[in-house]
Amino acid sequence: AQSVTQPDIHITVSEGASLELRCNYSYGATPYLFWYVQSPGQGLQLLLKYFSGDTLVQGIKGFEAEFKRSQSSFNLRKPSVHWSDAAEYFCAVAPYNFNKFYFGSGTKLNVKP
Amino acid sequence: GAVVSQHPSRVICKSGTSVKIECRSLDFQATTMFWYRQFPKQSLMLMATSNEGSKATYEQGVEKDKFLINHASLTLSTLTVTSAHPEDSSFYICSATGQSYNEQFFGPGTRLTVL
Repeated sequence: AQSVTQPDIHITVSEGASLELRCNYSYGATPYLFWYVQSPGQGLQLLLKYFSGDTLVQGIKGFEAEFKRSQSSFNLRKPSVHWSDAAEYFCAVAPYNFNKFYFGSGTKLNVKP
Repeated sequence: GAVVSQHPSRVICKSGTSVKIECRSLDFQATTMFWYRQFPKQSLMLMATSNEGSKATYEQGVEKDKFLINHASLTLSTLTVTSAHPEDSSFYICSATGQSYNEQFFGPGTRLTVL
């Protein structure tokens, strides 16, 4: 069965510190992987996506993610967090035809001044 | 990127009434639209998938007669919550994709409160 696990419900980091949000997936075929960010009361904004090729993908706002097939992971990273990064982050997996997205439960990021 | 809008952004209604939420793709043809429900501090739950001109495909456990979905054109899908009750209060998000796209584009969401 397809599923996405985000083990961390809440993460707090200091502004300027590095960040890593974990995502593990279970999927029968080659997954297409996504990270989205959601600010309170807002829809989802795509940060980055992985389909194939280079396993390290760059996204918007300075985020990157690395696909590790052996670990079934797609962790999101940022070298230096800004206060404006405080939001909820969702990892998602989809089949090749994008007819269904499976979302993780989300990780809420708090940024300390 | 492609833009998806939702209207209204917030709606408050009385128990027993019906509420319609619109989802529009503003600058592309949305061959497929999705409706999600999000409870506070939880992830998105897919309610249904609709293809233009076809009946929507509902996820298990979602009442078809309760949540009516219409995708009559390539730019508009509507979700009607019929005979709404307080437990239907939630954040509803739509997304859309088209033939030349390899991702879903999400609307800003609609906050429904049923009194």
